[in-house]
Amino acid sequence: EAEVAQSPRYKITEKSQAVAFWCDPISGHATLYWYRQILGQGPELLVQFQDESVVDDSQLPKDRFSAERLKGVDSTLKIQPAELGDSAMYLCASRRDNRETQYFGPGTRLLVL
Amino acid sequence: AQRVTQPEKLLSVFKGAPVELKCNYSYSGSPELFWYVQYSRQRLQLLLRHISRESIKGFTADLNKGETSFHLKKPFAQEEDSAMYYCALGSGTSYGKLTFGQGTILTVHP
Repeated sequence: EAEVAQSPRYKITEKSQAVAFWCDPISGHATLYWYRQILGQGPELLVQFQDESVVDDSQLPKDRFSAERLKGVDSTLKIQPAELGDSAMYLCASRRDNRETQYFGPGTRLLVL
Repeated sequence: AQRVTQPEKLLSVFKGAPVELKCNYSYSGSPELFWYVQYSRQRLQLLLRHISRESIKGFTADLNKGETSFHLKKPFAQEEDSAMYYCALGSGTSYGKLTFGQGTILTVHP
């Protein structure tokens, strides 16, 4: 059964450093989501792609976060520079169309020291 | 604005007891509600959605628009039901943005 893949699974970095996360959605899924989950809270949407286009980035801190999905398949989320408050789980999800549910990846756990 | 509230962070029951995980939402449009579950060391996965009106693993949830609630219920809890449960609200647009509650950790004791 196809799954959403994410890497790395864990990342430790120092504040002010750059960090990048990668997501490979299920093949054929046009919509891709990046969520951030702070410990003890539910996931919050950061950015949403439809194919290669951003359709919602209203909650993305654009001064330090960027996301791209150049060919409408896999996606990269970048933070530069990282801050202590960015420590969280970063989840990627994908969906084929609006009749289906979102499928989540295993997440990347980021710790900023 | 969309909001989902799960008032209980922790819920403990004994095996065989009924369980109810509460969820209330705030949304001005026509809501689409979901329950997601995350078992230990597994990824977040859909448990059920209100439009399906089905029972999954013995769980059911009824959308009550008057009380703006979507509580998850199971008449007889099992130890394997121990997990983190999230209630989520769909935006109603074709792109399906989800707003999640803070989650409830359910522990079912033997």
